[in-house]
Amino acid sequence: TQLLEQSPQFLSIQEGENLTVYCNSSSVFSSLQWYRQEPGEGPVLLVTVVTGGEVKKLKRLTFQFGDARKDSSLHITAAQTGDTGLYLCAGARSGGGADGLTFGKGTHLIIQP
Amino acid sequence: ETGVTQTPRHLVMGMTNKKSLKCEQHLGHNAMYWYKQSAKKPLELMFVYNFKEQTENNSVPSRFSPECPNSSHLFLHLHTLQPEDSALYLCASSQEDRGGYGYTFGSGTRLTVV
Repeated sequence: TQLLEQSPQFLSIQEGENLTVYCNSSSVFSSLQWYRQEPGEGPVLLVTVVTGGEVKKLKRLTFQFGDARKDSSLHITAAQTGDTGLYLCAGARSGGGADGLTFGKGTHLIIQP
Repeated sequence: ETGVTQTPRHLVMGMTNKKSLKCEQHLGHNAMYWYKQSAKKPLELMFVYNFKEQTENNSVPSRFSPECPNSSHLFLHLHTLQPEDSALYLCASSQEDRGGYGYTFGSGTRLTVV
């Protein structure tokens, strides 16, 4: 069974601060995805990283895939209250990914005004 | 409009009831999934359908029965559930050969078993 460990589980910071959340595994994934989920809603895809060492930026969010494709990080610069939510990482075992994703437990992020 | 619609949004059912959850996707995807989300646990994959064929069943109890009549619709039939089955049930879809690039999730059905 492939497991994804996310840290921290909970994070509460002030608006304007920077933060990093981590997603680690002992297994190799063909790709890794990050989702954001708000209460009462389903996860929404933020980004997919496929190549080891890949870095992707989405406005103030920077995503990195580890060289060995076993881990990933999400860095948020100058956090805003709208960034509050549950951040989930998910790994695909195969390139097609149609045999299901493995999810981490998530990081609950609260940005205080 | 997320492209994946789940109904109902909320469901309360007794342990002897039979109910069904419905999922519909309008994205032209050919793979659909049921996930269970419980507090303090990772999302758990329950069922996978590719091209309407079930390809994964992660040892889900038989009180959960999936049905995929076509590539746009997915059902989860429920009967004689237990209180520990209370959770958020999420449906997702993807292109069969592009699932590794991301799933589209519905808003979920919040199920409470009493």
